[in-house]
This record gives sequence, C-alpha cells and structure tokens, in this order.
Amino acid sequence: AQSVTQPDIHITVSEGASLELRCNYSYGATPYLFWYVQSPGQGLQLLLKYFSGDTLVQGIKGFEAEFKRSQSSFNLRKPSVHWSDAAEYFCAVRIIGFQKLVFGTGTRLLVSP
Amino acid sequence: NAGVTQTPKFQVLKTGQSMTLQCAQDMNHEYMSWYRQDPGMGLRLIHYSVGAGITDQGEVPNGYNVSRSTTEDFPLRLLSAAPSQTSVYFCASSYSSGDSGYTFGSGTRLTVV
Repeated sequence: AQSVTQPDIHITVSEGASLELRCNYSYGATPYLFWYVQSPGQGLQLLLKYFSGDTLVQGIKGFEAEFKRSQSSFNLRKPSVHWSDAAEYFCAVRIIGFQKLVFGTGTRLLVSP
Repeated sequence: NAGVTQTPKFQVLKTGQSMTLQCAQDMNHEYMSWYRQDPGMGLRLIHYSVGAGITDQGEVPNGYNVSRSTTEDFPLRLLSAAPSQTSVYFCASSYSSGDSGYTFGSGTRLTVV
C-alpha cells in the first residue's frame, strides 16, 4: 500500500545539537515531497519542498532536507537546534499527476536545555 | 493578509447535531481540501476539490459532506455529529500545479459530547 512513514514518534535533542528527522515513502514513482512544522495550537507551516533537481533542498528557519531515491527517503536536518524548534514535524507527499497531499503520522521534537 | 480562513476556531456539539465548518481562501487557488488531525494518526484527508463544482472523497469521508460553489469557499458539513468526529479540522488550498505548496488554515477544534 502507498504510505508515508515517520518512524520516530518523539525525539529529544539538546539545544545546539544537530537534528535529523526521518521520512520514508512507498510509491511507485518519485512524488513531490514536503516537510511541514506545527507549533502547539497552530496550523501547519511549510518548511521546504522537493519537486526535482538538486536533491538537497534548503528551507526556512535553517532546515534542509535530502532526497535519496535509492532509499525512498526525504530526511529533514538542522545543524544546530534552537529551543523554538520544539514542535511537531510532518512529512507529506503528493503523487505527480494528482493533487492529494498524504501525510506521515508526525514526529514531535522536544528540545532540552 | 492573504491566506486560508477557518471558522469557528472552537466548537462543542451534542451527538446528533449538525454543523458546517467554514473555509475561505483569497489566493485564487483551484485546489481545496479538508483534513482531520487526531493524535498519533497525522492528518487524514476527508474531502477535496479541484475546482468549483468538483469534489471527491479522501480516505475518511463518512459522516461528512462538502460542496464547492465558488473558488473561494469550501465548507465542510457534519450531518449528524458523533463522538468519533471529535478532532481538529484543517482546511488547505493550493494552485492546481501544487508547485507553491499547500496553505493551511489555523484549524477548528471540534468536540462532540
């Protein structure tokens, strides 16, 4: 079945440490790929997206993500986490030719002092 | 500011009552959609529309109804509310190409008692 998997439900990172959030998808073709962030009680904000071209994409707030076709992955990274990054992060995919956006179950990031 | 506006922000319903969640966008987006967000399940697509007069079902459409009479508005109707419909509901929109990503509203928190 087609799906988006975020294997980590919770991740705790020390402030200033690096971060990597995992995302894998199972679709026949390369989809459009997105990362969204949701702060408590808020809507979703787009961090970055990948459609084609350079497999390392830069986003807002110092985030980047790397698309790896061989691993069907689109992991989100940040070199140095700030306390304000504590939030829930969602990976999402859109199949080319369709407009539906399918989400993973999310990863909640906790930042320790 | 341009964006997606959802009303109300909070609502409490009794089992069996009906109501309409409103969603409006002023970006001339062709595509609009409704999601529900439940703990541990990410965002699940309820209904979507690719343009005025065109709607289709997502993965969890039962108990919900939609229509799209204008480009701007995409209301979600709960026909007979059930406790299982307690959730946070998000409306999202995008251009048909999806290149600019999807813009989300701030959500409606619905409790059915």
